[in-house]
Amino acid sequence: AQSVAQPEDQVNVAEGNPLTVKCTYSVSGNPYLFWYVQYPNRGLQFLLKYITGDNLVKGSYGFEAEFNKSQTSFHLKKPSALVSDSALYFCAVRKDVRFGAGTRLTVKP
Amino acid sequence: NAGVTQTPKFRVLKTGQSMTLLCAQDMNHEYMYWYRQDPGMGLRLIHYSVGEGTTAKGEVPDGYNVSRLKKQNFLLGLESAAPSQTSVYFCATNGYGYTFGSGTRLTVV
Repeated sequence: AQSVAQPEDQVNVAEGNPLTVKCTYSVSGNPYLFWYVQYPNRGLQFLLKYITGDNLVKGSYGFEAEFNKSQTSFHLKKPSALVSDSALYFCAVRKDVRFGAGTRLTVKP
Repeated sequence: NAGVTQTPKFRVLKTGQSMTLLCAQDMNHEYMYWYRQDPGMGLRLIHYSVGEGTTAKGEVPDGYNVSRLKKQNFLLGLESAAPSQTSVYFCATNGYGYTFGSGTRLTVV
């Protein structure tokens, strides 16, 4: 079965600290992996994607994600968190249009 | 360029009533999707379409019907609404990544 998992419902970090939002996947063949962000009462916005090539993908708002084939992971990272990064983050696998359950990121001043 | 437009944005239905949610896109994308978003469950795919005149079931299709008579429109219908269908509904299209509408908040009482 093809799936994507976000093992943490909630991530809390202090402003200025690095943040990581975790995502693991289970897909046969090459995965197409995405991260989306949802701000309160808004639709989802595209952050970044991995199709092929460099394992480190840079996206919007200073976010990046690292594709790790051996660990079947695609964790979202940012070197220095902002309070405005507080939102709901979704990892997705295109091949079966599956989304993770979401991780709520809270950045505290 | 509006992208993906969903109407209505809010609706309250009584159990047993019917309604149709409209999704319109102006990006000429072939693929369109309807998702529902519930707390702790992320996004779940209801139905999707790979082109005009085609539809297919997703993860949670029961109680919903869809139609794609025109490429730019993807309609989601509830024939007899149930309280379990209280949710936020998102339409999306897929080019190199998903583009989401702003959502429809539906309450069934």
